[in-house]
Amino acid sequence: GAGVSQSPSNKVTEKGKDVELRCDPISGHTALYWYRQRLGQGLEFLIYFQGNSAPDKSGLPSDRFSAERTGESVSTLTIQRTQQEDSAVYLCASSLLRVGPKNIQYFGAGTRLSVL
Amino acid sequence: RKEVEQDPGPFNVPEGATVAFNCTYSNSASQSFFWYRQDCRKEPKLLMSVYSSGNEDGRFTAQLNRASQYISLLIRDSKLSDSATYLCVVNEYAGNMLTFGGGTRLMVKP
Repeated sequence: GAGVSQSPSNKVTEKGKDVELRCDPISGHTALYWYRQRLGQGLEFLIYFQGNSAPDKSGLPSDRFSAERTGESVSTLTIQRTQQEDSAVYLCASSLLRVGPKNIQYFGAGTRLSVL
Repeated sequence: RKEVEQDPGPFNVPEGATVAFNCTYSNSASQSFFWYRQDCRKEPKLLMSVYSSGNEDGRFTAQLNRASQYISLLIRDSKLSDSATYLCVVNEYAGNMLTFGGGTRLMVKP
């Protein structure tokens, strides 16, 4: 497809379980971002991958969260030992490596995670 | 203090009204600015980039005031379909990192 694809679209899990969320960026986009959005809240930055550089993990809320990206393709966000406060929509975005007004991020539809 | 601040609203306006949102940012070295729109339970989508001289796209006008560190969005002749949350976004540093404001919710009523 032409856009950012995320899977699954919805995930219900039990507290304490691990979950893995997937993001397929737009082909050719070297930058990839993960955000978290709790109900009624703004976007919370989690992690940023830029080409082959070391990722910016400054937004990860705890060591239970990790993410990987293989080259300039798929990324997975893993949450270990999920807690109820992890319930949120996890959004992935990708962009070309540009600055200025052309630095546009394109978002996937998100994964809605519910931790029971 | 948040890096990008917006009035969360909601702004309730009748169809046809003109409505304006402001957004303030804390980093005077910020590079570029955007407005994104997010519909309920949907992902954010770019509405428009904000240029230093101000720019207009149909009913939407964006302005940047670097001295006062704020960005504005003006919507003229509001439509029901304009109902959404409007996110102010700032590229604070060289590179691709964007910082999102918490959003301003707009509800246009018949």
